[in-house]
Amino acid sequence: QVQLQESGPGLVKPLETLSLTCSVSSGSINNYVWSWIRQSPGKGLEWIAFIRYTGSTGYNPSLKSRVTISVDTSKNQFSLKLASVTAADTAMYFCARHVSGATNFFDYWGQGILVTVSS
Amino acid sequence: QSVLTQPPSMSGAPGQRVIISCTGSSSNIGAGYDVHWYQQLPGTAPKLLIFGDYNRPSGISDRFSGSKSGTSASLAITGLQAEDEAQYYCQSYDRSLSYVFGTGTMVTVL
Repeated sequence: QVQLQESGPGLVKPLETLSLTCSVSSGSINNYVWSWIRQSPGKGLEWIAFIRYTGSTGYNPSLKSRVTISVDTSKNQFSLKLASVTAADTAMYFCARHVSGATNFFDYWGQGILVTVSS
Repeated sequence: QSVLTQPPSMSGAPGQRVIISCTGSSSNIGAGYDVHWYQQLPGTAPKLLIFGDYNRPSGISDRFSGSKSGTSASLAITGLQAEDEAQYYCQSYDRSLSYVFGTGTMVTVL
């Protein structure tokens, strides 16, 4: 079954850009949609953005101005950038496969990476 | 902040049945969008439990079942077992907020 693994810095300074990568293994990134989701104690689970293997994207309206999601099909990876971070962006960040269409849910998840925003 | 409301906690003795509610509105569940459920064991990622209101992925026990009516959905766990002690989340689509999750329910097995 498909496996996802998040990677990136665990500590980011305020106002800097958070950058994470999700590597997909045991399956191709092609023909699917992929999402980033975060979980913080104060806000629970929050969907951030999705990207199709074709490159088309969708964003959470509350984060859209600060988020960029991209895909590299040659590396079987997709990435997240969140700009101008604050302490409120401290969370566990998960990447997930996004089943998209008439219904939308997340069937495979990475183990998550804890990102702390602090100087 | 979440638009899908769940009870913070529920508990039951081994073998009992627990029903977790997920209350939304006319812009999400009430609009006909599917509800999905996830189980999150401590220190792990959420795991898909139910999709499309009542469907179980391969490998998920039939002790878990989902239903939906109006602006609410429910997850029932029958024959409660110690391994079911976890956090449970519902998820749907909201017309203005996109993909949304419930507030989460901690199930404790007494």
